[in-house]
Amino acid sequence: GAVVSQHPSWVICKSGTSVKIECRSLDFQATTMFWYRQFPKQSLMLMATSNEGSKATYEQGVEKDKFLINHASLTLSTLTVTSAHPEDSSFYICSASLGTGHGYTFGSGTRLTVV
Amino acid sequence: AQSVTQLGSHVSVSEGALVLLRCNYSSSVPPYLFWYVQYPNQGLQLLLKYTTGATLVKGINGFEAEFKKSETSFHLTKPSAHMSDAAEYFCAVKTSYDKVIFGPGTSLSVIP
Repeated sequence: GAVVSQHPSWVICKSGTSVKIECRSLDFQATTMFWYRQFPKQSLMLMATSNEGSKATYEQGVEKDKFLINHASLTLSTLTVTSAHPEDSSFYICSASLGTGHGYTFGSGTRLTVV
Repeated sequence: AQSVTQLGSHVSVSEGALVLLRCNYSSSVPPYLFWYVQYPNQGLQLLLKYTTGATLVKGINGFEAEFKKSETSFHLTKPSAHMSDAAEYFCAVKTSYDKVIFGPGTSLSVIP
């Protein structure tokens, strides 16, 4: 149970284009979802927290106009990387809270390569 | 503010030997602590978590961790390493804002 499905698993896009990454909770309602970015051989850095029906809260230093997060339903959150550049190439992972004391579940990640 | 440190960015053990991955945390509130494992190009899988109650927590794949408040530690252990245990391991703490902060990670290698 408590599975988050993340798509696509990998994507290559041209510089200047936009890419959308989706995370769906398959068997539970995800009121709160988190988006992380991970550079090679580094830890996960929290980018933003999204709550269903409200604006996302971004961490310091994360450009909210570049990384658009939408959490329109209890089962879907999306991250759109707008006007992507090579420096945006990274591994992006979503996570959903399972409620107080129940931890978190993670998507399988999306490898974004901008060429 | 909460934070997590992991001593040793890379640990190598022989197959069958004890695995010990270290984690120390700082938290101004009673911590929720987690250990996650990540295989290459994959998401994170929860190994175990501590919220309240028993300080020795057993997880999947034979791993366990002990919460020691006096030492602000949550070290991960496994009595006998398998080749399949080779992966990246992250210790994490839940913050007072319901966010999860990850440590820098420890890469575990298992030598046949």
